[in-house]
Amino acid sequence: GAGVSQSPSNKVTEKGKDVELRCDPISGHTALYWYRQSLGQGLEFLIYFQGNSAPDKSGLPSDRFSAERTGGSVSTLTIQRTQQEDSAVYLCASSPLAGAETQYFGPGTRLLVL
Amino acid sequence: RKEVEQDPGPFNVPEGATVAFNCTYSNSASQSFFWYRQDCRKEPKLLMSVYSSGNEDGRFTAQLNRASQYISLLIRDSKLSDSATYLCVVNPSSGNTPLVFGKGTRLSVIA
Repeated sequence: GAGVSQSPSNKVTEKGKDVELRCDPISGHTALYWYRQSLGQGLEFLIYFQGNSAPDKSGLPSDRFSAERTGGSVSTLTIQRTQQEDSAVYLCASSPLAGAETQYFGPGTRLLVL
Repeated sequence: RKEVEQDPGPFNVPEGATVAFNCTYSNSASQSFFWYRQDCRKEPKLLMSVYSSGNEDGRFTAQLNRASQYISLLIRDSKLSDSATYLCVVNPSSGNTPLVFGKGTRLSVIA
């Protein structure tokens, strides 16, 4: 079946603008994760959803970052008033349950803030 | 102490070499362990799980030492296509909690 998809694949924005990133998980996967990866760096955990609820928001770097998930499916990550340090690849992953052996990652959204 | 620590490398090895990566984890209650692989500008993908008794998948062997909280990955007869970043990954509990990813070890296999 279809894998995890993310849109847009690339996004260039100006400092101070808001951006919205979208993730479509694998159908039936209840757990959904957002990560950030800066150039040459490891994965930075941002937030995860079990169904529509987010038990752990501890990774969100500031109150400019928010995420929601509706209908237990699609999730959006919103960054308000973007800063240059927000430039990174934002990766979404899903799994049947949180803690499942395998997380399936989407191709990511490459965000560049000028 | 970071939850999952790896030597970032890079490891530059010739084709045919054997190379080993190590990883330590801080939470002694961690339940399960994995190696993921991430190619340049691509998303991470599961390479293999790591079982207590050790396990092998072709040229890849994974070992777990719970007493030392240490995980290893051995790659034999390295191929050019093995060049990637290898991520050590830990499930810190038996509940519904996210996996914890190490920052990865970069491998370059050279002809």
